[in-house]
Amino acid sequence: KQEVTQIPAALSVPEGENLVLNCSFTDSAIYNLQWFRQDPGKGLTSLLLIQSSQREQTSGRLNASLDKSSGRSTLYIAASQPGDSATYLCAPSNQAGTALIFGKGTTLSVSS
Amino acid sequence: KAGVTQTPRYLIKTRGQQVTLSCSPISGHRSVSWYQQTPGQGLQFLFEYFSETQRNKGNFPGRFSGRQFSNSRSEMNVSTLELGDSALYLCASSPRQGSSYEQYFGPGTRLTVT
Repeated sequence: KQEVTQIPAALSVPEGENLVLNCSFTDSAIYNLQWFRQDPGKGLTSLLLIQSSQREQTSGRLNASLDKSSGRSTLYIAASQPGDSATYLCAPSNQAGTALIFGKGTTLSVSS
Repeated sequence: KAGVTQTPRYLIKTRGQQVTLSCSPISGHRSVSWYQQTPGQGLQFLFEYFSETQRNKGNFPGRFSGRQFSNSRSEMNVSTLELGDSALYLCASSPRQGSSYEQYFGPGTRLTVT
């Protein structure tokens, strides 16, 4: 059974800092991995999708990497801004279909 | 292109009642998945529908059911509500079934069971 762990659970940084969020998963037989952000009480916004054949994916100030063999993914946020404050969730998908297995998330707070 | 829409956004029900939630996927998307989010368990997969057929199911009791219509809209039903069913219910759509496709989530329906 796939288990997903995200470290740290919470993170507070001043504006402008670069930061890394970590995600580890126990079953490396995944098809892809998505990173999402969730604002309080809201739905999920997709940030990046990394296919299992890819090593990394970039979108603006975000860069996500994937190391299937070690069961790890990282989300790098450059030059953080207060608007980046949210909970970040990683979710690998299993081989049976589109079911995503979520970690508990990292709650990020960026102060101005 | 309009995003995933869910109705209603908020719902209050009494224990023992049943409830139906609705999800309209992004136009052209044919796969719809449902998730339950609670503070204790986090986000958990309920089921996935593609071409009006349930393709994948999570580990939830039979009180949770769903269906998909020919226009890809989906509904989920929870019968005999329990206090523990209070949660944010999210649906997600993707173009087709299969893990290669990015999933797009709706804003969710907040269900409170009293």
